Amino acid sequence: EAGVAQSPRYKIIEKRQSVAFWCNPISGHATLYWYQQILGQGPKLLIQFQNNGVVDDSQLPKDRFSAERLKGVDSTLKIQPAKLEDSAVYLCASSFSHGVLYEQYFGPGTRLTVT
Amino acid sequence: KQEVTQIPAALSVPEGENLVLNCSFTDSAIYNLQWFRQDPGKGLTSLLLIQSSQREQTSGRLNASLDKSSGRSTLYIAASQPGDSATYLCAVDQAGTALIFGKGTTLSVSS
Repeated sequence: EAGVAQSPRYKIIEKRQSVAFWCNPISGHATLYWYQQILGQGPKLLIQFQNNGVVDDSQLPKDRFSAERLKGVDSTLKIQPAKLEDSAVYLCASSFSHGVLYEQYFGPGTRLTVT
Repeated sequence: KQEVTQIPAALSVPEGENLVLNCSFTDSAIYNLQWFRQDPGKGLTSLLLIQSSQREQTSGRLNASLDKSSGRSTLYIAASQPGDSATYLCAVDQAGTALIFGKGTTLSVSS
């Protein structure tokens, strides 16, 4: 079974530029998560989708971050404009559904550096 | 608001030692607790998942326990090896929500 795919793996941009990340979850997984992991910290949820609907985006900085999940499969996360503090690893995860027994599987992440 | 704390933040041991990593959480109303491993520059690899009704899970040299009432979990690694060097993250979820992570324990095993 193929795992969660993410691209690009690395990205370096200047502040105020825009950037987009892509995630392809495990086939058949209805729930998709985007986490932000700042160096030395644990991952923090940005947004959670169930199919193509948003379940939780309470910690997403909506003035600069946006995310979509078209057709309930792939997802993109965009930052516009980027700030220095957005430098982090962006992790995508998926699970069969959201509930007691459904384990989350993580992709390799995208490491963003904002200069 | 759920908070997850991991102690110690870093740990260095010689090869062959048995060791314990600690995780505590403030709200005992959890559904699952997961331990992950993260190698430098890599994503997360799930090691063990303990459901709230369970007390422990074992996989090879790893054993994780859960005491939900006291808000604690431990990850026991037997006979440590240099290949075990990584950051270990503890995370909990409540009612199928996203995971809430601790900051991790960075383990270094020297040969």
